[in-house]
Amino acid sequence: EIQLVESGGGLVKPGGSLRLSCIASGHAFSSHSMTWVRQAPGKGLEWVSFITSGSSYIYYAASVKGRFTISRDNAKNSLFLQMNSLRAEDTGVYYCASPPRLRYADYYFDSWGQGTLVTVSS
Amino acid sequence: SYVLTQPPSVSVAPGQTARVTCGGINIVTKSVHWYQQKPGQTPVLVVNDDSDRPSGIPERFSGSNSANTATLTISRVEAGDEADYYCQVWDSNSDHPGVFGAGTRVTVL
Repeated sequence: EIQLVESGGGLVKPGGSLRLSCIASGHAFSSHSMTWVRQAPGKGLEWVSFITSGSSYIYYAASVKGRFTISRDNAKNSLFLQMNSLRAEDTGVYYCASPPRLRYADYYFDSWGQGTLVTVSS
Repeated sequence: SYVLTQPPSVSVAPGQTARVTCGGINIVTKSVHWYQQKPGQTPVLVVNDDSDRPSGIPERFSGSNSANTATLTISRVEAGDEADYYCQVWDSNSDHPGVFGAGTRVTVL
């Protein structure tokens, strides 16, 4: 497992932008695919986006496609989520998470960060 | 997109068995994973690939998958098992492959 720490959350107005970061330590970050999962206040988990270890494959939830961009910098053990055109319904805690090292299908997530809170409100 | 259906709540007495279901069309063809989330805490993986248990997870937690329903079973339930439980699959045939169920609140009476 790797250790994950998110940052970059905060209060932003509707239509605004925010960039989340996730720093990894422990086992080789470059061998792990990564994902973002969010949780609105009092609601369940919602998968947001996914990127493979070498950034060859990227996926988004329908609710964020075209507005959010996932990226990574393996040299800096970092994962990012650029969030544009933010809406009230994007409010929630955003977790970065990773599947086991060298997992290539049927992904599950055994390492989670503590989350960073994003609040979209005027 | 693939849909996973969970009951909103399950109640169980201490020492009894709790079963949390996760319904999906032909879910038996997918690998189902389960997470436990206690209030104010980060999700924790408790079962992966239908029935595998990560290290550190008590043997009281087990999983199964058949036909259109996957099940997380918690045996000899303890007060500390009270939490929200989520099932999850990776739908590789979809452009939006990550799927979580809506979650089930397990209450220990």
